[in-house]
Amino acid sequence: EAQVTQNPRYLITVTGKKLTVTCSQNMNHEYMSWYRQDPGLGLRQIYYSMNVEVTDKGDVPEGYKVSRKEKRNFPLILESPSPNQTSLYFCASSLGTGGHNQPQHFGDGTRLSIL
Amino acid sequence: SQQGEEDPQALSIQEGENATMNCSYKTSINNLQWYRQNSGRGLVHLILIRSNEREKHSGRLRVTLDTSKKSSSLLITASRAADTASYFCATDYLKKYSGAGSYQLTFGKGTKLSVIP
Repeated sequence: EAQVTQNPRYLITVTGKKLTVTCSQNMNHEYMSWYRQDPGLGLRQIYYSMNVEVTDKGDVPEGYKVSRKEKRNFPLILESPSPNQTSLYFCASSLGTGGHNQPQHFGDGTRLSIL
Repeated sequence: SQQGEEDPQALSIQEGENATMNCSYKTSINNLQWYRQNSGRGLVHLILIRSNEREKHSGRLRVTLDTSKKSSSLLITASRAADTASYFCATDYLKKYSGAGSYQLTFGKGTKLSVIP
């Protein structure tokens, strides 16, 4: 089944403890992206990747890192999480390198709480 | 850089009625997409409409695009309780830090649709 898989689905952790949210897709998509969703603010893009080893900042990249060593994986790293990063996170992927002219396939989300 | 804005923010209708949601945006676009999000789940793509298209259909969904007014509408006909969800429009914009830049998608804040059985 074609899907985007995020892990973990839920995480409660403490300020400053490094964490990684994994994202994997099995559709051989070039483009992958991370979003955060907050009440009243909608979805905002954190980072995106147009292909292996090609990543760039989205609208809210501060406090996050990403890497794209393989086509299928695009992990999101919070080196020193803070409470303002408490949010619902989504990974998405799509065909092509553009990211804007193809349907995005979303994972089921990771609910992250930073205490 | 959110440029899509949905209207209304919330909509409540009876099962069987039609639901219309609107999206307005600020700058010219290449394409516009609509997504659905069930509570706490990931977004699901519904329709992509290109700037040279005026209308698209998919099952009970009808999307229109008016580039002169910079607006789009999503019509769900004969609504069902299972249509209860939030609906988002997404538009592309040219993101530039340096060089040529790249087109990215930006999402609105969504319309929350409740269909009452």
